[in-house]
Amino acid sequence: AQSVTQLGSHVSVSEGALVLLRCNYSSSVPPYLFWYVQYPNQGLQLLLKYTSAATLVKGINGFEAEFKKSETSFHLTKPSAHMSDAAEYFCAVSFFSGSARQLTFGSGTQLTVLP
Amino acid sequence: NAGVTQTPKFQVLKTGQSMTLQCAQDMNHNSMYWYRQDPGMGLRLIYYSASEGTTDKGEVPNGYNVSRLNKREFSLRLESAAPSQTSVYFCASSESRDRGTTEAFFGQGTRLTVV
Repeated sequence: AQSVTQLGSHVSVSEGALVLLRCNYSSSVPPYLFWYVQYPNQGLQLLLKYTSAATLVKGINGFEAEFKKSETSFHLTKPSAHMSDAAEYFCAVSFFSGSARQLTFGSGTQLTVLP
Repeated sequence: NAGVTQTPKFQVLKTGQSMTLQCAQDMNHNSMYWYRQDPGMGLRLIYYSASEGTTDKGEVPNGYNVSRLNKREFSLRLESAAPSQTSVYFCASSESRDRGTTEAFFGQGTRLTVV
């Protein structure tokens, strides 16, 4: 079964500091991995995705994530946090079940950016 | 280009009442999904539809029914609402049922409260 674990339901960083949001996955086959962001009262928006082409994936808004097979991790980072980065972030793994691809989501990490 | 549109955005129901959540996408996607989002639990799949005319149960289907009316529309019905169904509901669509690299696109959500 595919599963995703996000360590830390709440993360606070100061503006300008490094952002690190952790995600570990469990997958019996090579995974397709995603990071989504959710701003208050909105739907989910794709930040970036890993599709096995490169282990370091760059996304929107300066975010990037590195796929580490040996650690089964796909942590999200941004060198310098901005106030506008405050949101909830979800890691997800894609797998084929039944007749369609499905996404299994982690429980989410709420990022707070302090001035 | 509207993407994924959900209606209504907010709804309050009394226990035992029924209602249908509507979802439409204009991206010509094959697959559509209904998720519910609860605090600390991420998004959980209720039902999905790999293609027009097919539907399958997800992780938490009890108390719900769905209809894939055509390629664009996928509705979620609560026949007899219960307080445990208080949640935020998201509809999503994706391009292909076979390609795991394809991300899902989400609607803005429906906030449902059952009293």
